Amino acid sequence: KQEVTQIPAALSVPEGENLVLNCSFTDSAIYNLQWFRQDPGKGLTSLLLIQSSQREQTSGRLNASLDKSSGRSTLYIAASQPGDSATYLCAVRPGRTDKLIFGTGTRLQVFP
Amino acid sequence: DGGITQSPKYLFRKEGQNVTLSCEQNLNHDAMYWYRQDPGQGLRLIYYSQIVNDFQKGDIAEGYSVSREKKESFPLTVTSAQKNPTAFYLCASSIDRTAAFFGQGTRLTVV
Repeated sequence: KQEVTQIPAALSVPEGENLVLNCSFTDSAIYNLQWFRQDPGKGLTSLLLIQSSQREQTSGRLNASLDKSSGRSTLYIAASQPGDSATYLCAVRPGRTDKLIFGTGTRLQVFP
Repeated sequence: DGGITQSPKYLFRKEGQNVTLSCEQNLNHDAMYWYRQDPGQGLRLIYYSQIVNDFQKGDIAEGYSVSREKKESFPLTVTSAQKNPTAFYLCASSIDRTAAFFGQGTRLTVV
């Protein structure tokens, strides 16, 4: 059974720092992996989607990498800002189904 | 504007009552999903549907029911058999197993 883990569960950093969020999954047979952002009491906003054949995707200050063989993905946030404060979730889509399986998220706080 | 609309934003249920949460999308997506989110936990899949008139149980389907009569709509009913329904419910859709997009959620509280 596919399991997704995110470490750390919470992170607090000063503004301007570069930071890395981690996502691990137990079964490497995935179709793709997606990173989301969730603000308190809100729905999820899609940040980046990485297909299983890709190594990384970039959008602005965000860069997501995927190492399928080791079951890991990282989300790199450059020059963090207070507006980046949110919970970040990763989700994998297993190879044979249309499901999305989520990690428990990393709660990020960026202070001025 | 294209997107996913969930209603209502807040819903209160009395003991023994069935309630229905609405999810509508105008993205022309084939697949739709319902997730439940509890504090401190990740999202757990309740039901998903890949095409009209077909749906599959997720990991926590007991006490819930769905229908998919139209491509645009995937309502979720929380029945009286669901003993702990207080949670944040999220609906999502996707096409061709690409990026999933989510609605803004419905917060259900038992009173």
